[in-house]
Amino acid sequence: DTGVSQNPRHKITKRGQNVTFRCDPISEHNRLYWYRQTLGQGPEFLTYFQNEAQLEKSRLLSDRFSAERPKGSFSTLEIQRTEQGDSAMYLCASSQRVGGGSDTQYFGPGTRLTVL
Amino acid sequence: AQSVTQLDSQVPVFEEAPVELRCNYSSSVSVYLFWYVQYPNQGLQLLLKYLSGSTLVESINGFEAEFNKSQTSFHLRKPSVHISDTAEYFCAVSETGGSYIPTFGRGTSLIVHP
Repeated sequence: DTGVSQNPRHKITKRGQNVTFRCDPISEHNRLYWYRQTLGQGPEFLTYFQNEAQLEKSRLLSDRFSAERPKGSFSTLEIQRTEQGDSAMYLCASSQRVGGGSDTQYFGPGTRLTVL
Repeated sequence: AQSVTQLDSQVPVFEEAPVELRCNYSSSVSVYLFWYVQYPNQGLQLLLKYLSGSTLVESINGFEAEFNKSQTSFHLRKPSVHISDTAEYFCAVSETGGSYIPTFGRGTSLIVHP
């Protein structure tokens, strides 16, 4: 168990460019979450997957954002036509959800996006 | 909808002093409560959680939190802090039923001085 990994750790891009981030969850985990964290704030939920199905999306996830989890393994988060307001830390978390009740999320180190 | 308020953005303390990080939540249904810690340049790590049962929960490194339903609070305490406890601490709440997606507070920066 190597934990949740995210790549790249840092990304600097120019406004209007597209960027893609990758998250590799803990291998046996069926749930994968994406969050955004800006300076001085806690993580804000963006979307989550159970296996390959995207079950919920936050209103924060505009139509420029898209996330996929093909085959229920790794996930990608793409931002098209980036804006300076997209600058943030993008966090991924995974968990193993069995039945009802809460599950413990394990977070990756994050990808810090800077849009110039 | 649930919400979380962390009343202090920054808490400076001296090493070996006690500390309390405050967290209040708002929800119309039963909740689960969490404290996460984020060390510099690292991801969030679960420190402790309240799901049900005993209202006092403890972590392996000496932190404890008590669920107080009447005051809708889940304050985090440690009787004696170490330099290594310097980090950002996030309180989170999720509502029972539904997707259990947690809502996080803004975080409290614990700064331990020698």
